[in-house]
Amino acid sequence: DIQMTQSPASLSASLGETVTIECRASEDIYSNLAWYQQKPGNSPQLLIYDANSLADGVPSRFSGSGSGTQYSLKINSLQSEDVASYFCQQYNNYPFTFGSGTKLEIK
Amino acid sequence: EVQLVESGGGLVQPGRSLKLSCAASGFTFSDYNMAWVRQAPTKGLEWVASISYGGSNTHYGDSVKGRFTISRDNAKSTLYLQMDSLRSEDTATYYCARPGWERGNYFDYWGQGVMVTVSS
Repeated sequence: DIQMTQSPASLSASLGETVTIECRASEDIYSNLAWYQQKPGNSPQLLIYDANSLADGVPSRFSGSGSGTQYSLKINSLQSEDVASYFCQQYNNYPFTFGSGTKLEIK
Repeated sequence: EVQLVESGGGLVQPGRSLKLSCAASGFTFSDYNMAWVRQAPTKGLEWVASISYGGSNTHYGDSVKGRFTISRDNAKSTLYLQMDSLRSEDTATYYCARPGWERGNYFDYWGQGVMVTVSS
């Protein structure tokens, strides 16, 4: 199974800052990677797919990058509504696997 | 508007069975692969199972293989998850999820989730 190592586990940043969350796969996943945002009490929401494609309706301050085994999610100009947990998911191979999550808070 | 509505959750004793349903609307259900994803309380997301659009191909996570069965009824636009030999570690919110395109494997629509608690 492909292991997804996500970091950091938690992150505190100020409004307007840029933050970066990373996921490392245990083997090459050929950009078959998605990022999700989950606000407390809500279902996950797709942000990024295919490593760098922005999902419909997602603000352009979110962006994804990476290839091979290393991927990152960047949030520019942090807003209060970005307080949430973020998860990566590889879908290159079954079983699909998620990162352990990053909890983002406002400082 | 795409809607996924799960039902069938509740409290169940270890070793017993439970069947979840997910009623889909707002899209051509029979065109899409579908999946179940779960989340234990205060934990991360875990993919449980996927099924192809026609129902002939299924895949399972290691922790549920041999105990859970995913199925679908395209005539009723409904996805199912039969959960047998339930364990305490199966306690979670179970989400029905639709991929971003018909044969895709990332999920752009999620249901509201249904809670399953396995406890004596």
